[in-house]
Amino acid sequence: SSELTQDPAVSVALGQTVRITCQGDSLRSYYASWYQQKPGQAPVLVIYGKNNRPSGIPDRFSGSSSGNTASLTITGAQAEDEADYYCNSRDSSGNRFGGGTKLTVL
Amino acid sequence: QVQLQESGPGLVKPSGTLSLTCAVSGGSISSSNWWSWVRQPPGKGLEWIGEIYHSGSTNYNPSLKSRVTISVDKSKNQFSLKLSSVTAADTAVYYCASNYCSGGSCYSSYFDYWGQGTLVTVSS
Repeated sequence: SSELTQDPAVSVALGQTVRITCQGDSLRSYYASWYQQKPGQAPVLVIYGKNNRPSGIPDRFSGSSSGNTASLTITGAQAEDEADYYCNSRDSSGNRFGGGTKLTVL
Repeated sequence: QVQLQESGPGLVKPSGTLSLTCAVSGGSISSSNWWSWVRQPPGKGLEWIGEIYHSGSTNYNPSLKSRVTISVDKSKNQFSLKLSSVTAADTAVYYCASNYCSGGSCYSSYFDYWGQGTLVTVSS
């Protein structure tokens, strides 16, 4: 499939660890990148490549990949991490986003 | 620090053409990035529309390809989007973004800079 599939919603207790996954055939050939989006704001890059964080992104955010699945892990989730998260990768047509995962921090 | 700023009409009539421009500052549009348009309908997820390289090469979302044209104006350091035959389903926040690409196959790419987004409503 050329789609990128994400769970629509995930919840995590404050301070606990949560993993958000993204599945798609393109991930066998291309790295995923991950974006955090809060209401009314533009998306912000949090993870790219094998496991790289842009400047300013806390080290509690990490990425991994295996086969057709990419994962974003937040270790010690904070209240400010509550947001929508989108994966993205290249594919044969150009680019594609996953459907997004709404993360709730309890 | 690259900055992107979208501009264009906020209201477009059904069957008309949506036209937006993205001004790039703090960097050159002739850099090695691809320049993209992404949209987000109210309450929904992100949808990649298409991209252009400074050479004029383009890639488009297959679902929109028949209606989309993206162009670049290197003299003004900006790129533009035209979406024709719009309907209410094209109502969305439209973002411009730069996409950094590693390797000839872009095996690793990411959107490193985004505009603030502009809401375009399709309505009569």
